[in-house]
Formats: sequence, C-alpha cells, structure tokens
Amino acid sequence: ETGVTQTPRHLVMGMTNKKSLKCEQHLGHNAMYWYKQSAKKPLELMFVYSLEERVENNSVPSRFSPECPNSSHLFLHLHTLQPEDSALYLCASSHPGTGGKAFFGQGTRLTVV
Amino acid sequence: AQKITQTQPGMFVQEKEAVTLDCTYDTSDPSYGLFWYKQPSSGEMIFLIYQGSYDQQNATEGRYSLNFQKARKSANLVISASQLGDSAMYFCAMRSPNFGNEKLTFGTGTRLTIIP
Repeated sequence: ETGVTQTPRHLVMGMTNKKSLKCEQHLGHNAMYWYKQSAKKPLELMFVYSLEERVENNSVPSRFSPECPNSSHLFLHLHTLQPEDSALYLCASSHPGTGGKAFFGQGTRLTVV
Repeated sequence: AQKITQTQPGMFVQEKEAVTLDCTYDTSDPSYGLFWYKQPSSGEMIFLIYQGSYDQQNATEGRYSLNFQKARKSANLVISASQLGDSAMYFCAMRSPNFGNEKLTFGTGTRLTIIP
C-alpha cells in the first residue's frame, strides 16, 4: 500500500463512451503524474501537475483530458478513445522531500472495444 | 534527451541464488537520480532503491543493492538470495529535475522469474 489509490481498477469502454479515471493521494505530495503503460513499451509520461498546475503535456491526444482540482486528487477524462489506447494507466505522486521517489497507484487497466 | 536501456527482456533464476538486472542510462544532466521499481502482476509499481548521481557509495536496501558505475553509465540491480516473491517485472528509471517536479524516464523492463 503506497498511499496512492486509483479507481476503477478495471474499465472496459466503447469508442463513443465518456469515462473518467480517478487518483487520490493523502501523502501531502505536491506533484502528481499520469503514465501510460502499453505492452512491451516503456512507461510513457502523459501529464505532470505541480501545485495543481499542469506543467507538462507530452503530446497527448486531446481525447485524454486531465484535471487536478486540488493537490490530493487527479482525474483523467476519456472520450472517443481508440482501441490502441488500451493500456494500464498509472498515477503517481511525489514531493521534493521524497528525493524524487514517486509513489504509484495500482493502475487502471483500460480496454477500449 | 534521457534514455534508459534494459537489455534483458526476461530472466529465469533458481531460488536462493543472486541475480543481477542490467540497466544503462544516458543523460547530459550532471545531477540525476536512478531508481529501480518492481511491478508484480497486480500492477502497482513498488519502489525498491535509489541512487543519486553524486552519491559516493552504492545504495543498499535489505536484499537489494545497486551497482553504480558512473563512468560506464550503468546502474545494475543486484538481488541477493532470491525468493519466489521476487518474480515480477523490474524497471530501471531516471529522474530529471525540472522546476520542482521530477519526472521519471523508464526502461522497457526485465521480467524476472524465480524457479523453485
């Protein structure tokens, strides 16, 4: 248990659906991240939020829309996804005091049909 | 640009033996951090060990040690006395400091299987 909770753990959605992934941490961290993990590929950093402000967007398609309403919560809103978006989506948080160590959630396994 | 290379897609090791997982990296930053994470089938990335670029000694955490060879840009993970529970994916990662937040660049991982 790392202190980072992601819901849901599994999600199956059609290409026309709209869904949201949720991440929550109560570790007092001020940075939160979304990573995408596809089969046989390195983890890809998608978004970085620092102090609730988005500081990085790694050329992610607009069908992925992040939201950080406060320092403890991070959302990833999904709409009109493609089958190739099927992957494990991992949320992480960190704080300068942790020496850069990121704490990860268990991920949401997303399948787009 | 930063890059992490893990050349071993999979390894099989007998229980109780030591195992070394390879990691090489490339960066132009003088200050960086190197991490190893374990990912069991449940999906969660579990932090194992950290090495700072200016640390003089190799990091150790229980059965885990990091063989840091700065000139060769390698940061191999050594697991002593392997256990069945060590079977998992292992990822090497590097941190680049950037405006107070610290993003990680990951390698492709090594799947370790411990054989009874």
